[in-house]
Amino acid sequence: AQKVTQAQTEISVVEKEDVTLDCVYETRDTTYYLFWYKQPPSGELVFLIRRNSFDEQNEISGRYSWNFQKSTSSFNFTITASQVVDSAVYFCALSELGGGTSYGKLTFGQGTILTVHP
Amino acid sequence: ETGVTQTPRHLVMGMTNKKSLKCEQHLGHNAMYWYKQSAKKPLELMFVYNFKEQTENNSVPSRFSPECPNSSHLFLHLHTLQPEDSALYLCASSQILTGTGNTEAFFGQGTRLTVV
Repeated sequence: AQKVTQAQTEISVVEKEDVTLDCVYETRDTTYYLFWYKQPPSGELVFLIRRNSFDEQNEISGRYSWNFQKSTSSFNFTITASQVVDSAVYFCALSELGGGTSYGKLTFGQGTILTVHP
Repeated sequence: ETGVTQTPRHLVMGMTNKKSLKCEQHLGHNAMYWYKQSAKKPLELMFVYNFKEQTENNSVPSRFSPECPNSSHLFLHLHTLQPEDSALYLCASSQILTGTGNTEAFFGQGTRLTVV
């Protein structure tokens, strides 16, 4: 069975600080996708990134960066120079490619509430 | 138009009522999903529809009944709910690529359901 753990329930930072959100996953599959989503107060989950298990290159997108380490089953997310608008709940998720009915199923972590203070 | 639209945004219903949640996706995807988000719990997958066929029912009570008339529309019919069913219900869609997995899922804004 697959599992995603986000150990940090809540994080509070002051604007312009860097912050890293941790994500650890468990899966028996050798091929899978990892995702990060942002959920602002409006409720909608906003897609941030999808990473294939074969691609361990770190990725940077503006102030966002992701560190994928297959050896430790971690997919951490860093926000550089945080801003008040980054305040939201962030979810890490895993999707296996087991075939058949497994396609598309996302297993989510518990989420990390990030609050950025001015 | 946003990619995935859910109506209504808020719903209050009594335990004896029957209501339906609606979801529509404008992304041309072939798979749609219902997720439940309760306070202090991870998002839980409820149902998966792949090419309009239900491929997953994640042990959901029968008081929740999904319907997928076509690849763009998904409904969740509700009847005789319990107060513990109060939650945010999120619809999502994605493109399942046979043999290679799926694209990222796009979510609607959800329906905030309160059962009284």
